[in-house]
Amino acid sequence: RKEVEQDPGPFNVPEGATVAFNCTYSNSASQSFFWYRQDCRKEPKLLMSVYSSGNEDGRFTAQLNRASQYISLLIRDSKLSDSATYLCVVSSNDYKLSFGAGTTVTVRA
Amino acid sequence: NAGVTQTPKFRILKIGQSMTLQCTQDMNHNYMYWYRQDPGMGLKLIYYSVGAGITDKGEVPNGYNVSRSTTEDFPLRLELAAPSQTSVYFCASSLGQSRDSNEQFFGPGTRLTVL
Repeated sequence: RKEVEQDPGPFNVPEGATVAFNCTYSNSASQSFFWYRQDCRKEPKLLMSVYSSGNEDGRFTAQLNRASQYISLLIRDSKLSDSATYLCVVSSNDYKLSFGAGTTVTVRA
Repeated sequence: NAGVTQTPKFRILKIGQSMTLQCTQDMNHNYMYWYRQDPGMGLKLIYYSVGAGITDKGEVPNGYNVSRSTTEDFPLRLELAAPSQTSVYFCASSLGQSRDSNEQFFGPGTRLTVL
């Protein structure tokens, strides 16, 4: 079983729509959770950390469900510039990160 | 402040050739990492380093070697290149181990093809 699993998508949504997707993780000892964004043929960049109480950063909302071992990301009022691959990232007690394969989102005009 | 830089951006190797992928960071980060990313797959950790002089294997170390003689530099060496090493290689660095300092900053990547 993969350590981090994501629906690869693609999620094709019109501008202004809301899109949400999850990822699941297998290591119950995981301590830190993140969403990274990766544009086509570019390096990953941190989008946001995910905290136990859930957190919001502008149009982006992240949730963590430890009991079911999943993390979610919701994007409101989608923009064309939100088109990217979103990587779910999980870390155990140390500094090593485990990456999901990514969920591709395409926002169309 | 250039962040993490990698050279070369692209490279084509013949089977059996060797090369070194260069990685440098100017953020004075203790931790550095090498990943490979194959199409449709997540990033896989090859090697990492927690400081100058200290390196350790990641998930997929076979066929690679690293060294960390300075805080800034973390080169990745491929010996006897094989087609299975065709991939995009990313170098990354992070400040430290605490939750607030484990964001990893990535270089732009090296696209390697082995024919």
